[in-house]
Amino acid sequence: DQQVKQNSPSLSVQEGRISILNCDYTNSMFDYFLWYKKYPAEGPTFLISISSIKDKNEDGRFTVFLNKSAKHLSLHIVPSQPGDSAVYFCAASAGGSARQLTFGSGTQLTVLP
Amino acid sequence: NAGVMQNPRHLVRRRGQEARLRCSPMKGHSHVYWYRQLPEEGLKFMVYLQKENIIDESGMPKERFSAEFPKEGPSILRIQQVVRGDSAAYFCASSPTGRQSGNTIYFGEGSWLTVV
Repeated sequence: DQQVKQNSPSLSVQEGRISILNCDYTNSMFDYFLWYKKYPAEGPTFLISISSIKDKNEDGRFTVFLNKSAKHLSLHIVPSQPGDSAVYFCAASAGGSARQLTFGSGTQLTVLP
Repeated sequence: NAGVMQNPRHLVRRRGQEARLRCSPMKGHSHVYWYRQLPEEGLKFMVYLQKENIIDESGMPKERFSAEFPKEGPSILRIQQVVRGDSAAYFCASSPTGRQSGNTIYFGEGSWLTVV
């Protein structure tokens, strides 16, 4: 039972264009969402997060949008750069006593020069 | 300004041996989490610890796996009598607190266990 789903295993985008990575969740108790970027043989690096009280959070080239009614979030990267090529993981957690994150299976983004 | 430190980065063990993975959290962080990534899969939560306490071990296999975070020293994830299916990347993460929604957790570089 996958509570966080990233249905696109891979995405290719031209340099300079927008990359849109999508994530769906099923657990209505999730109230905090994060995106991590991961290179091979390295640990996940935190990118950006959003609380369920917001519908948008922006940090430089990265913007995360949250649609609670659809249980959907997306990460927009604009403009995309070749160095953005990595696996992107969506993660979610429910408020309370633990910071257990539930991860999606990841999307491999390739930015073509 | 050290991040989450894990060692060893790579560990090879024969079936039946023990594997010990160590994790030192970021400075100022008192909460440690262990995650496992099996090949071709996302990260899966294993255990959440504070100093000298296991807070949530709902993701830990029932047998052979244990974790601790002593008062002094790093957190240790211990796998006894390893089997080939234990081969995975094990990631440690830390956060300053565990109770407040909105805290981000930061990951280490991972320890890659290979069981031969």
